[in-house]
Amino acid sequence: DTAVSQTPKYLVTQMGNDKSIKCEQNLGHDTMYWYKQDSKKFLKIMFSYNNKELIINETVPNRFSPKSPDKAHLNLHINSLELGDSAVYFCASSQDVGVDNEQFFGPGTRLTVL
Amino acid sequence: AQSVTQLGSHVSVSEGALVLLRCNYSSSVPPYLFWYVQYPNQGLQLLLKYTTGATLVKGINGFEAEFKKSETSFHLTKPSAHMSDAAEYFCAVSRGGSNYKLTFGKGTLLTVNP
Repeated sequence: DTAVSQTPKYLVTQMGNDKSIKCEQNLGHDTMYWYKQDSKKFLKIMFSYNNKELIINETVPNRFSPKSPDKAHLNLHINSLELGDSAVYFCASSQDVGVDNEQFFGPGTRLTVL
Repeated sequence: AQSVTQLGSHVSVSEGALVLLRCNYSSSVPPYLFWYVQYPNQGLQLLLKYTTGATLVKGINGFEAEFKKSETSFHLTKPSAHMSDAAEYFCAVSRGGSNYKLTFGKGTLLTVNP
């Protein structure tokens, strides 16, 4: 069983389009995250939700909107895609917000904006 | 603010040789420190973490790291490299307490030569 899954694995789209990435975890965790990994492998947190509530919202363009319909899901919707949005997006989850809780990462979604 | 510096974006070793990946951190409060590994086309996996207590931390796959407060370092070592260790390694820091946000270094690519 996959602990943290993301769909799609690859996403190629044109500038200006709107797209969504879905994330699901079957670990029973309370906290979920979205990270962006750029072409130089630099990994930065974007958002975090705990029990469906937004708790971390980094300096991210408001074209990015996370949505958590329940504790097991955290989706990322991106409006008006730009070239600079091309990256690998990782979803992660942890038992709760405590810093010593291990974060479990999904396999990533490689987004390419043409 | 906290930050992480990983010295050397690429480290190459021979199979059986010592692996040493360097990480220095900056934090205004006692840090929580982590090493994650990313195999090609996969998400990140926790190798080990330091929160409190013993400063020498053992992780999975024979890796260990030592927290040295005086040197603000948390270097990762493995006595004998294996081909399967080839991957990208990320050091991360968090301030602990209610600040559960991980700040990652830029990663070190480890290649293992036969």
